[in-house]
Amino acid sequence: QVQLQQWGARLLKPSETLSLTCAVYGGSFNDYFWSWIRQPPGKGLEWIGEIHHSGSTSYNPSLKSRVTVSVDTSKHQFSLKLTSVTAADTAVYYCARGTGLVAARFWYFDVWGPGTLVTVSS
Amino acid sequence: QSVLTQPPSVSGAPGQRVTISCTGSSSNIGAGYDVHWYQQLPGTAPKLLISGNSNRPSGVPGRFSGSKSGTSASLAITGLQAEDEADYYCQSYDSGLGGSRVFGGGTKLTVL
Repeated sequence: QVQLQQWGARLLKPSETLSLTCAVYGGSFNDYFWSWIRQPPGKGLEWIGEIHHSGSTSYNPSLKSRVTVSVDTSKHQFSLKLTSVTAADTAVYYCARGTGLVAARFWYFDVWGPGTLVTVSS
Repeated sequence: QSVLTQPPSVSGAPGQRVTISCTGSSSNIGAGYDVHWYQQLPGTAPKLLISGNSNRPSGVPGRFSGSKSGTSASLAITGLQAEDEADYYCQSYDSGLGGSRVFGGGTKLTVL
């Protein structure tokens, strides 16, 4: 059974860089996209970006200038960096596995990490 | 403002049937991209409920069903149970601005 475990700094000051890592336990690492999704307190879900084991990435256009998703296939881990954070970046950040049967645009998220609340405050 | 529009809230009594709509446009649902649904219980991570418009993953009760038509999709829950009280999100792909996976704003289901 696949499990995702995530960690990273939980309290940041404005202008700092958010950094989170997600480890994948069990199952294949190479057949999926690995994604980051966030949820501000009391609000809905927002897709941040994703990476394939090959290193190909895709990002939310609204965050693209500040986001980098990277992968370490040897450790079955992938990471998120979000630069120049503000209070608007305060959210629960989830890592998730993307999968599907047809083209990647049709894929969905079938396994989720527990989430990490990241707070940005001066 | 979300690309996919959902009603903020719906409610129903135990045993009743409720539906949650997800309205998109020609750049997402109307372009033929699949709609997926997630259930988020309070304080937990979202859980996949429906994939590919109408497919239930193993373990999801048959009370949950999904459909899609034109630029909209719907999630139906029959035989409503107290444990169904949760937030529900639809998700698809939008080809605008270079392409992006998108979520609906979420719908809070209250079981009366």
